[in-house]
Amino acid sequence: DVKVTQSSRYLVKRTGEKVFLECVQDMDHENMFWYRQDPGLGLRLIYFSYDVKMKEKGDIPEGYSVSREKKERFSLILESASTNQTSMYLCASSFMESSYNEQFFGPGTRLTVL
Amino acid sequence: SQQGEEDPQALSIQEGENATMNCSYKTSINNLQWYRQNSGRGLVHLILIRSNEREKHSGRLRVTLDTSKKSSSLLITASRAADTASYFCATDNFGNEKLTFGTGTRLTIIP
Repeated sequence: DVKVTQSSRYLVKRTGEKVFLECVQDMDHENMFWYRQDPGLGLRLIYFSYDVKMKEKGDIPEGYSVSREKKERFSLILESASTNQTSMYLCASSFMESSYNEQFFGPGTRLTVL
Repeated sequence: SQQGEEDPQALSIQEGENATMNCSYKTSINNLQWYRQNSGRGLVHLILIRSNEREKHSGRLRVTLDTSKKSSSLLITASRAADTASYFCATDNFGNEKLTFGTGTRLTIIP
């Protein structure tokens, strides 16, 4: 059974803390994505990666960075967490083949920044 | 920018009835996908329809695509309580691995 896992389901951090969200997929997918989901705004792409050590900014990269040192792992980093980064964070992965680019999602991490 | 916009934003129906959700998008697409999200969970892929297809079925799901109107609809027949979830359409651009998701339709099935 294909699987995308995220390191935490719930996370509470304080303003100014450095936060790491980790995502691991076991499907040998080339592409990995980080989204945030807020009520009324749907899913917004933060960053994505199409290969190890490769990354591209999505629609809302400000305040975030990412790391992909291994194919199966994609980390989202909040360098200095702020209250407006309280959100649900979703990781996804997909094959490179763009004609059938179904994305597989992890269960999500609900982050609260106090 | 939001590519897909779902309509309605929320829908409540009785169990056993059919549910129809619509999605409109702005630019040319390679394919359009529908996803389901149960409360507080990740999204699950339901069905993909390519730009050269007009209709596709999968179990109780029926998806249509009208590229001239840049719109798609998802029909769930004989709804069940377990269908209660949010439903999102997602579109891509040619040669682009990224998907753009709409804001979703919240479907509630009343037992």
